[in-house]
Amino acid sequence: RKEVEQDPGPFNVPEGATVAFNCTYSNSASQSFFWYRQDCRKEPKLLMSVYSSGNEDGRFTAQLNRASQYISLLIRDSKLSDSATYLCAVQTGANNLFFGTGTRLTVIP
Amino acid sequence: DTEVTQTPKHLVMGMTNKKSLKCEQHMGHRAMYWYKQKAKKPPELMFVYSYEKLSINESVPSRFSPECPNSSLLNLHLHALQPEDSALYLCASSQEAGGNTEAFFGQGTRLTVV
Repeated sequence: RKEVEQDPGPFNVPEGATVAFNCTYSNSASQSFFWYRQDCRKEPKLLMSVYSSGNEDGRFTAQLNRASQYISLLIRDSKLSDSATYLCAVQTGANNLFFGTGTRLTVIP
Repeated sequence: DTEVTQTPKHLVMGMTNKKSLKCEQHMGHRAMYWYKQKAKKPPELMFVYSYEKLSINESVPSRFSPECPNSSLLNLHLHALQPEDSALYLCASSQEAGGNTEAFFGQGTRLTVV
C-alpha cells in the first residue's frame, strides 16, 4: 500500500468555482502534513502546512483528519493562475517526506 | 525565488560518463534531500542527509552516490547510468526542529541519459 494516496484528477473547473482535493495516508504515526503546488516543468513549491486545527491562507483552506487519516485542500473563487498540480506530502519518521501522486487542476475561463 | 540552488539546470550524459549534480542552500537548514521525479509522477525520495550524515537511503542503486561535504552543500555523483534514469532530480532542504519539516526545493536538474 502506498504511503500517500491522492486522486490524480484532472479537475477542470470554471473560474470562480470552489474545488476540493483529498489525500489519504497509511501510517498513523505520520507527524507533519503539507500541500505543495507544482507548475509544469517547475519544482514543487510549498503552498501551506496542514495543522490539526485547520488553517486558512486567503482563498486556500487546509484540514487534517487524523482519525480518518486524510488531509484536504479547499480552493475558493478559483483563478486561472491556480491551474497547476497540487501535491500532498506527509512526513513519517525523521525527515521521511513522501508525496502523493498529485492532482492536476485546470481552471477554465 | 527559491533559496535552494541546483546546478546544472540541464545535463545530457552518456551511459559511460561520470557526472555530478550540485545543490546549495544558505538557510541554515540541517536536513537535505535528493528526489527523483519522472514525468507526470510525484517526487520519489532517494536520500536524506541530517546534520551532514546520511540518514535515509531509499534502496537507490549504487550508480547514484550522494555526498554532503558540509551543511550547505549536497552532491549527487552519477556513474554508469541507464536511459531509464532520465528524470528531473530535485534537491530540497528543511530545518531540523521538533518535527517541522517544511521542505523547500531547488529548481532541479533535468537529466537525460543517452
